[in-house]
Amino acid sequence: KAGVTQTPRYLIKTRGQQVTLSCSPISGHRSVSWYQQTPGQGLQFLFEYFSETQRNKGNFPGRFSGRQFSNSRSEMNVSTLELGDSALYLCASSSGTSGRSYNEQFFGPGTRLTVL
Amino acid sequence: AQKITQTQPGMFVQEKEAVTLDCTYDTSDPSYGLFWYKQPSSGEMIFLIYQGSYDQQNATEGRYSLNFQKARKSANLVISASQLGDSAMYFCAMREGLIVNNQFYFGTGTSLTVIP
Repeated sequence: KAGVTQTPRYLIKTRGQQVTLSCSPISGHRSVSWYQQTPGQGLQFLFEYFSETQRNKGNFPGRFSGRQFSNSRSEMNVSTLELGDSALYLCASSSGTSGRSYNEQFFGPGTRLTVL
Repeated sequence: AQKITQTQPGMFVQEKEAVTLDCTYDTSDPSYGLFWYKQPSSGEMIFLIYQGSYDQQNATEGRYSLNFQKARKSANLVISASQLGDSAMYFCAMREGLIVNNQFYFGTGTSLTVIP
């Protein structure tokens, strides 16, 4: 089974620009979650999508948004980039439903975003 | 208050020895799940082990075991027979609630170095 894939792996943008990151979950997984990881704040939950609907949301400004497509692929968008948005953005997939498989959340390799 | 606390920023262990990584959590929800992840320098988060709040026995997965002390709200990870490949960051995480919820709270992590 192929793992979670994220594209691009590295990205350099300047302040004020916008960026879109992509995540393809494991085949059959319907839940995709996004996290921001920075040295200062650690891993912080951004949001979760399940069956094309946002199911959970962390405490991030509206500049951070996402969506999920019918094939469960998800995109995350950050508008009006700030220096503080430089981070590793991790995507995780899970079945999203009850049962043992629900307890496993598989992460992708991440997209490292640098804002200059 | 922090949901997950990891008080050991860095740990060293001799190869083939056992090591315990500490994790305490804070929740008022009787239903929750506790997770440990490993993050090598490559950045990808690797799921190691899961413990549910209603599980009677401590979880084990190969060389990993979780020392779950519910009354003390601690969920320490024990790695037996450490290997050089165990050198990585280790994160403790929690998910709350009975309702399907994939919002994870992560600790700040412990950097483990295995010495040959």
